[in-house]
Amino acid sequence: EADIYQTPRYLVIGTGKKITLECSQTMGHDKMYWYQQDPGMELHLIHYSYGVNSTEKGDLSSESTVSRIRTEHFPLTLESARPSHTSQYLCASSERGDEQFFGPGTRLTVL
Amino acid sequence: GENVEQHPSTLSVQEGDSAVIKCTYSDSASNYFPWYKQELGKRPQLIIDIRSNVGEKKDQRIAVTLNKTAKHFSLHITETQPEDSAVYFCAAGLFNKFYFGSGTKLNVKP
Repeated sequence: EADIYQTPRYLVIGTGKKITLECSQTMGHDKMYWYQQDPGMELHLIHYSYGVNSTEKGDLSSESTVSRIRTEHFPLTLESARPSHTSQYLCASSERGDEQFFGPGTRLTVL
Repeated sequence: GENVEQHPSTLSVQEGDSAVIKCTYSDSASNYFPWYKQELGKRPQLIIDIRSNVGEKKDQRIAVTLNKTAKHFSLHITETQPEDSAVYFCAAGLFNKFYFGSGTKLNVKP
């Protein structure tokens, strides 16, 4: 079944650790996005990609980086996690830049 | 960039009543306006959308209206049901990027 997947679903780590949040989609979409969302609050765009080898920063300043080596894969990396990174991270994809399909999210807690 | 404002932040209605959520946007170049519903602990899901060349769109109990001149758009839910309780987000699409409102928590009381 075509879907968008995120792993891990929950992650608790210590300050200073390097982490990678995985996002994969089997929908064949070119456009992919990362959002940061505190529970029930506004979604903030932190990174997006229009296709392989294309990545851009969103409007929310972020200390994370992304890569897009394969169409279906769009991982997000935090080189040194801090408590201020505690949040939920949502990955999304879109075929034509209209309807977005969201993954289930990764809830990150940095101690 | 685009700035989207959404009101109210919380809305409580009686089952069967109508609910209206309003959003404004700042960039007249925005051309796509989706509405997402997010239930507690779940991912946002598209419920209805409208493009800038259309003034109104309806899908069963939900409808969206767009006023390009005033740069505002609204979500209307009629005959609300308890399962409509969720957080609703509006968004404005500009050059394949999306700018979200701050969300409206809708509570439908049985």
